[in-house]
Amino acid sequence: AQTVTQSQPEMSVQEAETVTLSCTYDTSESDYYLFWYKQPPSRQMILVIRQEAYKQQNATENRFSVNFQKAAKSFSLKISDSQLGDAAMYFCAYRRRSNDYKLSFGAGTTVTVRA
Amino acid sequence: EAQVTQNPRYLITVTGKKLTVTCSQNMNHEYMSWYRQDPGLGLRQIYYSMNVEVTDKGDVPEGYKVSRKEKRNFPLILESPSPNQTSLYFCASSLLGISNQPQHFGDGTRLSIL
Repeated sequence: AQTVTQSQPEMSVQEAETVTLSCTYDTSESDYYLFWYKQPPSRQMILVIRQEAYKQQNATENRFSVNFQKAAKSFSLKISDSQLGDAAMYFCAYRRRSNDYKLSFGAGTTVTVRA
Repeated sequence: EAQVTQNPRYLITVTGKKLTVTCSQNMNHEYMSWYRQDPGLGLRQIYYSMNVEVTDKGDVPEGYKVSRKEKRNFPLILESPSPNQTSLYFCASSLLGISNQPQHFGDGTRLSIL
């Protein structure tokens, strides 16, 4: 079974600053997908960014970017120019490329943004 | 509007009283799944379905049942709920065949079993 580890239960960042959330995963697969989901207090699960393992280029979505290190099995999320609306729990998730569509999630990191 | 709808959003009930959490999607998705979210554990898959009448166990299926009689609906059934099933539950759906398709999540159901 795949395991996803988020080692930071909580992170705090000053508004307009940058914060990086770490995620490592364990897999024997060579082709897979990685995701970051945001869960604000409203409980919605919102897709922030995704990365396909066969792509070497790191994904970027506006202020959100990832550092994907396939050999190290590491997938960190960088939030630049943090805003108050970024305050949420963030989950890292893994999915195999095969027809198994199951998402394996990390435990989550709660991000607090200080005004 | 494309969405996954779960009902109820909140439920407090007692041990042993059968309950059903409904999930419906309007995107014609083949794949549907249930997850439970617990502090420190993230989300874990309970059951999933690849299409009508095709269901299978996820990582934590004990104490739950599902059915998929129609493509749009995927109810989660707790036949005899127990306090350890107190949790936040999410239904999700996705198209099959498009491998990088992200899953769409419902807004969650908070269950409290006393």
